[in-house]
Amino acid sequence: GENVEQHPSTLSVQEGDSAVIKCTYSDSASNYFPWYKQELGKRPQLIIDIRSNVGEKKDQRIAVTLNKTAKHFSLHITETQPEDSAVYFCAASPYNTDKLIFGTGTRLQVFP
Amino acid sequence: SQTIHQWPATLVQPVGSPLSLECTVEGTSNPNLYWYRQAAGRGLQLLFYSVGIGQISSEVPQNLSASRPQDRQFILSSKKLLLSDSGFYLCAWIGQQYGYTFGSGTRLTVV
Repeated sequence: GENVEQHPSTLSVQEGDSAVIKCTYSDSASNYFPWYKQELGKRPQLIIDIRSNVGEKKDQRIAVTLNKTAKHFSLHITETQPEDSAVYFCAASPYNTDKLIFGTGTRLQVFP
Repeated sequence: SQTIHQWPATLVQPVGSPLSLECTVEGTSNPNLYWYRQAAGRGLQLLFYSVGIGQISSEVPQNLSASRPQDRQFILSSKKLLLSDSGFYLCAWIGQQYGYTFGSGTRLTVV
């Protein structure tokens, strides 16, 4: 089955710097890759997603890139702000299923 | 509008006691529903998913079970809780947009 690895587990950046979180997946047939943000004690919220027919997607300060050949995808946050501090999860959806297999999460801390 | 409800928000239960967590969805029909568990400081582990009434698929062997008695109701249960069952339990469904919508979660502490 699908396996998703996520790095780093923790990431600290200065406000205004960029943050990059990387994930790899094992099932080459997976075709949907969302990213979730989870603030302390709250439910995960979808922030951006990408499908396998697209290499890059951007939404304001957030972007996701996908390399199908290498089976990895990344989240890029530019001009980070303290409110970006949270745990971020990547996920992959195996082909022809609605299941999501999550990475282990990255705790991002943005220092003012 | 489509919403997902999950309760209770927090629960403290002794080892060996039973468990019942409920999740309901409004504003849609025949949703795919999921139960995830998040252990402290860990990722989200898929426990069960259901594509319809009475249809349950288990992803990992464990002390828990799930049932779908109605189209919009998904229940997570245990007959006898273990300490290792502690965690943050999240119900989710596929909404109109891509990706899951999660319920607000139940924080279970087994003591």
